[in-house]
Amino acid sequence: QKEVEQNSGPLSVPEGAIASLNCTYSDRVSQSFFWYRQYSGKSPELIMSIYSNGDKEDGRFTAQLNKASQYVSLLIRDSQPSDSATYLCAVRERDDKIIFGKGTRLHILP
Amino acid sequence: KAGVTQTPRYLIKTRGQQVTLSCSPISGHRSVSWYQQTPGQGLQFLFEYFSETQRNKGNFPGRFSGRQFSNSRSEMNVSTLELGDSALYLCASSLGDRETQYFGPGTRLLVL
Repeated sequence: QKEVEQNSGPLSVPEGAIASLNCTYSDRVSQSFFWYRQYSGKSPELIMSIYSNGDKEDGRFTAQLNKASQYVSLLIRDSQPSDSATYLCAVRERDDKIIFGKGTRLHILP
Repeated sequence: KAGVTQTPRYLIKTRGQQVTLSCSPISGHRSVSWYQQTPGQGLQFLFEYFSETQRNKGNFPGRFSGRQFSNSRSEMNVSTLELGDSALYLCASSLGDRETQYFGPGTRLLVL
């Protein structure tokens, strides 16, 4: 099975700074990429989806995709304490299965 | 529009029993996927149903099965429960093929 790798963290970022979350994937043919946020005890909620190389911005969130390097990242600008959560990277593979990374725990320091 | 609903939310079973979990997708969504989430393994794909047909299956033993009804509601069944089946079981629905998935609140299963 193909893999999706994320640094487990915790990643500690001061309030107001930029948080940068990274993800690499092994299936070169993958076309769809997703970032989910999961608060403790809750289910994942979709933040961003990205399908083409480059940047995609939505409010304070920017997803970046580089298919040549098999790398996708999520930037969170002006980080808030409410952004403290686990961020899951997900990749839809060639067989249409969606594979999730194990997540990066993000802690925003007030 | 109502989100994905799952029942029951919490369940306690003993080894050897079986369990059935239910998922109602967002209205109009035809695809339902099931995932198991544990602290050690993260979110792992179980299976996906689309228009009552299983489209994809993860690497889980045959004790894990599912089905989808004509109204897109889905059930998953786990037979002969093992301690390792204790997990959060998440259902996600999407409009159809290759669409974004939206998760339900999950069913937390504890096997004693």
